[in-house]
Amino acid sequence: AQSVTQLGSHVSVSEGALVLLRCNYSSSVPPYLFWYVQYPNQGLQLLLKYTSAATLVKGINGFEAEFKKSETSFHLTKPSAHMSDAAEYFCAVSDQQAGTALIFGKGTTLSVSS
Amino acid sequence: DVKVTQSSRYLVKRTGEKVFLECVQDMDHENMFWYRQDPGLGLRLIYFSYDVKMKEKGDIPEGYSVSREKKERFSLILESASTNQTSMYLCASEGANQPQHFGDGTRLSIL
Repeated sequence: AQSVTQLGSHVSVSEGALVLLRCNYSSSVPPYLFWYVQYPNQGLQLLLKYTSAATLVKGINGFEAEFKKSETSFHLTKPSAHMSDAAEYFCAVSDQQAGTALIFGKGTTLSVSS
Repeated sequence: DVKVTQSSRYLVKRTGEKVFLECVQDMDHENMFWYRQDPGLGLRLIYFSYDVKMKEKGDIPEGYSVSREKKERFSLILESASTNQTSMYLCASEGANQPQHFGDGTRLSIL
């Protein structure tokens, strides 16, 4: 069975600081990994996805994530936080690129202070 | 751009009512999903459909049913609403080798 653990339900950073949101996964097969962002009162928007093409994945809004098989991790980073990055972030895993449900982590709320 | 439209952003119903949540996608996607989102629990899959009239149970199907009579529309039905079904409901659709695209959600309150 697959699972996702997001370490830290809340992360607070200052504007301009590094953003690091942690995600660890469990999967018995090569995983497909995703990060989604949810702004208040909106649905989920895809930030980036890992589909085994490259271990460092660049996404929208300056975010990137690195797949580390040895650590079973897929942490999300952004060099410099903006106020507009305040949102809830979800990591998800699947055993296929499409055609099956995603297994989501419980989410991490990112707060950005000026 | 993929557009997934959920018919209501906010809905208030009473216990025991039959509730319909509608979702429409405009990209001719085969796969559609209904998730439930609760604070601290993330998203949990209720049902998904991989073709017209086809459906599969997810992790928490109890108390829910679904209907997919047309490819673009996937409906979630609460047969007899209860207060523990108060939640945010998210619909998603997915094409071949594409990530899931989500609607804006329906925040449902059962009184």
